[in-house]
Amino acid sequence: AQSVTQLGSHVSVSEGALVLLRCNYSSSVPPYLFWYVQYPNQGLQLLLKYTSAATLVKGINGFEAEFKKSETSFHLTKPSAHMSDAAEYFCAVSEGNQAGTALIFGKGTTLSVSS
Amino acid sequence: DAGVTQSPTHLIKTRGQQVTLRCSPKSGHDTVSWYQQALGQGPQFIFQYYEEEERQRGNFPDRFSGHQFPNYSSELNVNALLLGDSALYLCASSSRYRGPMNTEAFFGQGTRLTVV
Repeated sequence: AQSVTQLGSHVSVSEGALVLLRCNYSSSVPPYLFWYVQYPNQGLQLLLKYTSAATLVKGINGFEAEFKKSETSFHLTKPSAHMSDAAEYFCAVSEGNQAGTALIFGKGTTLSVSS
Repeated sequence: DAGVTQSPTHLIKTRGQQVTLRCSPKSGHDTVSWYQQALGQGPQFIFQYYEEEERQRGNFPDRFSGHQFPNYSSELNVNALLLGDSALYLCASSSRYRGPMNTEAFFGQGTRLTVV
């Protein structure tokens, strides 16, 4: 069965600092991987996705993630944090090899940004 | 484009009651998935509908059932509510016909269900 592990339930950074949110996955088939962001009392918004094309994926709001098969990782980064980045971030893997099918989510990482 | 819309936004029910949540998918989407997000947790997949049939199901009891209508909208029904059913219920829509490279799930803002 596929699974996702997000290392660190809470990450705190200063405004302008590098953001690194960690995600490791387990999958018996080539995975489709996603990062979603959730603001308080909101649904989930897709930041970026990996669907077996380029291993370095660029998303919205300056975020990017690199798929590393050897490390089974898909860590999310942003060079310079902004106050508006404070939110809950979820890594997810698609069950099956077609994007849009059932998603398996990690437990989430809360990102705090201080001025 | 209205995106994915869910109703109601908030709901309070008593243990043992039944509840129905509703979802309208994004325009052009034909597939609806439902997720349960408990407080402080990631969303958990309940089931997925397309062509008016349940196609995939997660590890949820039969108390959770659903329906998809010809206009692709969907309902989630939960019978015999338990305190543990209190959660944010998220609906996601996607399209099966855009190919795996272009398919992604769009989420609604959710329905907050509180069981007392």
